[in-house]
Amino acid sequence: DQQVKQNSPSLSVQEGRISILNCDYTNSMFDYFLWYKKYPAEGPTFLISISSIKDKNEDGRFTVFLNKSAKHLSLHIVPSQPGDSAVYFCAASASGGGADGLTFGKGTHLIIQP
Amino acid sequence: DAGITQSPRHKVTETGTPVTLRCHQTENHRYMYWYRQDPGHGLRLIHYSYGVKDTDKGEVSDGYSVSRSKTEDFLLTLESATSSQTSVYFCAISDLQGNYGYTFGSGTRLTVV
Repeated sequence: DQQVKQNSPSLSVQEGRISILNCDYTNSMFDYFLWYKKYPAEGPTFLISISSIKDKNEDGRFTVFLNKSAKHLSLHIVPSQPGDSAVYFCAASASGGGADGLTFGKGTHLIIQP
Repeated sequence: DAGITQSPRHKVTETGTPVTLRCHQTENHRYMYWYRQDPGHGLRLIHYSYGVKDTDKGEVSDGYSVSRSKTEDFLLTLESATSSQTSVYFCAISDLQGNYGYTFGSGTRLTVV
């Protein structure tokens, strides 16, 4: 049973516009959420995170929103740039820090069109 | 990332043979993880370690064992490789400080024929 779901395998967005990637979770024990970005033939790299005590966290062009009642989070990228084309993974932790591992979604392939 | 290296980067092996993948870190992080990435499955945790000689199973541990005799090295062994273990394997490290983000290695692409 998948505890972290990314229901859009791919997303195409025009350069300069907003990219919105969505993630849903089922485990109410998750208290920390992260987004990772992955280019082909490379390992995932940490992008941004949010604790369950917050509903928004912003870092430059990247903002993560958390809606705990809906068990939903989203990553906004504004403005989208060609270098943002990658696979984005949503991840969650139930141990307040991920000591026993993060649970990942299947990923969303973001394609930025020129 | 320069602080974590995986070896080998690519390997082809035959069904039934044992295979060991190595993860080496220079960050002195306490926590280390092995994940596999497969199409349609994202990243799934195989085993993890929370210190020297302290390891535990993850979601997909069957057919895998690990060892951590030194802080810097975390080995993943496929005891008898099967075609279902063809995958890309990623090692990750963390000190669980700050943003709790893991640092991942570049991956090992393993093909079992």
